[in-house]
Amino acid sequence: SQQGEEDPQALSIQEGENATMNCSYKTSINNLQWYRQNSGRGLVHLILIRSNEREKHSGRLRVTLDTSKKSSSLLITASRAADTASYFCATISSGYSTLTFGKGTMLLVSP
Amino acid sequence: DSGVTQTPKHLITATGQRVTLRCSPRSGDLSVYWYQQSLDQGLQFLIQYYNGEERAKGNILERFSAQQFPDLHSELNLSSLELGDSALYFCASSADSGRSYNEQFFGPGTRLTVL
Repeated sequence: SQQGEEDPQALSIQEGENATMNCSYKTSINNLQWYRQNSGRGLVHLILIRSNEREKHSGRLRVTLDTSKKSSSLLITASRAADTASYFCATISSGYSTLTFGKGTMLLVSP
Repeated sequence: DSGVTQTPKHLITATGQRVTLRCSPRSGDLSVYWYQQSLDQGLQFLIQYYNGEERAKGNILERFSAQQFPDLHSELNLSSLELGDSALYFCASSADSGRSYNEQFFGPGTRLTVL
């Protein structure tokens, strides 16, 4: 079963704009990870944020985590057409070692 | 390139048949995970092996089984295939020590089509 829910389900923006995706989850977590998937291909790990962290940056990516609200957001700044993909949040629940994925957000960046 | 390899890339077979999917983890990774991705179910965790032993089980059907060999490669066996088993099957590996849970590196997947 799905742990998280991404919002929005789909997002369409222009190159250069920022894209924000949100993820909510249900149980206590050890960490939360974001992955990207280009159409029908493998998932690429983007960033991991641990439950005791509130914000993390990696290049044009910024992830926040609010454990009190059981939510996370992924911000992609200055988006490019190559960022077009599906983005998934995935959680590792406390006491477990396996990822539970949300349904993903489809991001379309137009030139 | 994640360093995780999966074979075959595509598999087309008939209902009732049995197939084996193969995965080689990144060098040094002891944990191997199998996932199924379908349009209706999304990405579902199936099973995890750690250093040859089954560690966690998810939504894996009884018709499916897996194992991890001494060289750490893993195989996922799917039997009595049904139309609904058509999906992308991903393998992932990680350097989990059993106490710290790290990012997982995914292979390119095997696309299974059951006709």
